[in-house]
Amino acid sequence: GAGVSQSPRYKVAKRGQDVALRCDPISGHVSLFWYQQALGQGPEFLTYFQNEAQLDKSGLPSDRFFAERPEGSVSTLKIQRTQQEDSAVYLCASSWRGDTGELFFGEGSRLTVL
Amino acid sequence: GNSVTQMEGPVTLSEEAFLTINCTYTATGYPSLFWYVQYPGEGLQLLLKATKADDKGSNKGFEATYRKETTSFHLEKGSVQVSDSAVYFCALSGGGGSNYKLTFGKGTLLTVNP
Repeated sequence: GAGVSQSPRYKVAKRGQDVALRCDPISGHVSLFWYQQALGQGPEFLTYFQNEAQLDKSGLPSDRFFAERPEGSVSTLKIQRTQQEDSAVYLCASSWRGDTGELFFGEGSRLTVL
Repeated sequence: GNSVTQMEGPVTLSEEAFLTINCTYTATGYPSLFWYVQYPGEGLQLLLKATKADDKGSNKGFEATYRKETTSFHLEKGSVQVSDSAVYFCALSGGGGSNYKLTFGKGTLLTVNP
């Protein structure tokens, strides 16, 4: 499709498992973002890519979180040794330019850690 | 740092009623301001934006005016429809923070009854 695609849409993990969340941005979008949205809260910034370069990872909560975009298109957010507090919806967004605030969001990946 | 405070929900209105969702912000400098909307089962999408004081953003009958003196960006619509039922997020970028990083409020759930 023409929008931002995220998979899986739902993921249930046992505490301690590793998970990988995938994002397919809109074709040609240079900028890609990951946000975390806890229940009842607004999205919170995790990390920002321009092409394959990760320009800002200041929002990643711990060193268990890792994101990559090796070819400047698809991105993967990896969470190692998941904890219950990692349960949230992980949103991916893309845009032509990163500094306009005009982002196109995917539907999100809902992670539940038991 | 930057922050956004928006009206607690949920908000329930009858069709054709007038809508106001309040949003105030804290930022240094001159942020850009946004309203994003999330319809059921969909990703967040940009509804409107304003980039400088006294600018009015508008789209789909919704309006919001950037008021620097009151640090506000209240969302209004004169006559809501059932199809406007969604979660509305106020957000900002810049204003002493990064231009590419959006800071969101917690969201306001709007339900419009026929």
